[in-house]
Amino acid sequence: EAGVAQSPRYKIIEKRQSVAFWCNPISGHATLYWYQQILGQGPKLLIQFQNNGVVDDSQLPKDRFSAERLKGVDSTLKIQPAKLEDSAVYLCASSLWDRTDTQYFGPGTRLTVL
Amino acid sequence: DAKTTQPPSMDCAEGRAANLPCNHSTISGNEYVYWYRQIHSQGPQYIIHGLKNNETNEMASLIITEDRKSSTLILPHATLRDTAVYYCIVRVSLSGGYQKVTFGIGTKLQVIP
Repeated sequence: EAGVAQSPRYKIIEKRQSVAFWCNPISGHATLYWYQQILGQGPKLLIQFQNNGVVDDSQLPKDRFSAERLKGVDSTLKIQPAKLEDSAVYLCASSLWDRTDTQYFGPGTRLTVL
Repeated sequence: DAKTTQPPSMDCAEGRAANLPCNHSTISGNEYVYWYRQIHSQGPQYIIHGLKNNETNEMASLIITEDRKSSTLILPHATLRDTAVYYCIVRVSLSGGYQKVTFGIGTKLQVIP
């Protein structure tokens, strides 16, 4: 079974530039999550999708971050414009919508904002 | 949200059992306890979860106290590859049947040769 795929793995941009991350979840997983992990901290949930609908985006900075999940499969997370404090690893995870709801994580995208 | 408390770091000798504690005193009756771990530069990896009963799988054992206010993750024979940050999480139910997990800082386990 293929795991969660993310790209790019690394990205370096200057502040005020835009950036986009892509995630392909495990086939058949209805739930998709985007997390932000700042160095030394645990992952923080940014947004959770159920199919192509948003379940929770309470911690997404909506003035600069946006995410979509067209057709309930792949997802993109965009930052526009980026700030220095956005430097972090962005993790995508997916899960079956079942009783266990185990999340499977991708390798993440390491973003550096200069 | 039910909050968890873990020691920030622990050491364990290779080949010995690693016992990682977690307090979750505000857990509700239908909330599950999950454990994930994160090896350096990788995404978190699911280990085990439980509600009331003790659980065991090929990776670890989970011991939950009778009052459910704390739990212990046991790695029976720690290896160097078990060096990682271990997260204890309480899964919270949202409206509509959705679930939410909140990661803390976790416990950094160092397995020593």
